[in-house]
Amino acid sequence: SQQGEEDPQALSIQEGENATMNCSYKTSINNLQWYRQNSGRGLVHLILIRSNEREKHSGRLRVTLDTSKKSSSLLITASRAADTASYFCATHTGANSKLTFGKGITLSVRP
Amino acid sequence: EAGVTQFPSHSVIEKGQTVTLRCDPISGHDNLYWYRRVMGKEIKFLLHFVKESKQDESGMPNNRFLAERTGGTYSTLKVQPAELEDSGVYFCASSQDGVTGRKQYFGPGTRLTVT
Repeated sequence: SQQGEEDPQALSIQEGENATMNCSYKTSINNLQWYRQNSGRGLVHLILIRSNEREKHSGRLRVTLDTSKKSSSLLITASRAADTASYFCATHTGANSKLTFGKGITLSVRP
Repeated sequence: EAGVTQFPSHSVIEKGQTVTLRCDPISGHDNLYWYRRVMGKEIKFLLHFVKESKQDESGMPNNRFLAERTGGTYSTLKVQPAELEDSGVYFCASSQDGVTGRKQYFGPGTRLTVT
């Protein structure tokens, strides 16, 4: 069954605007991670937030985690055309080291 | 440092044929993972190696899929015989250890098309 589910499925914004993507999951987690995939490339790790953390920043990225609602959001500020990609949330549950992914969000940033 | 590499980048085969995908993890990474993304669906875990041993193969869809990691270096994933529903992108990832939360480094993926 699907653990992570992102919304929206697709997002189109103008360069310079902020992009907010949401992820919901179903079971208790150890941590949640966000990945990016540029067309034809592999998945690139963006940021990890642990279950006991509520917010984390990395450059233009801001991730929040609400374990009571089983949801996370990824905010990209001052977006650039180069941010155009697919974004995935993935969770680690328990002691298992495999990642459980959502379907992904396609972000298009118009120059 | 070289990243995770996968070969081939794209494979087109007919139903019933055999295909072997290869993954070379980052040097020194004992943990190797295979994932698959079928069109329009989420990326799903297939299996996890620690060195040459299969730590978790709970995601392998059926016995048409065979993964090996002889010598604990590169890994192969063989699909025999291939079916139409096997089409998708197969990702390989590696990490230094299997500690929960350790970052996994992904390869570019192999796009498999079964016709």
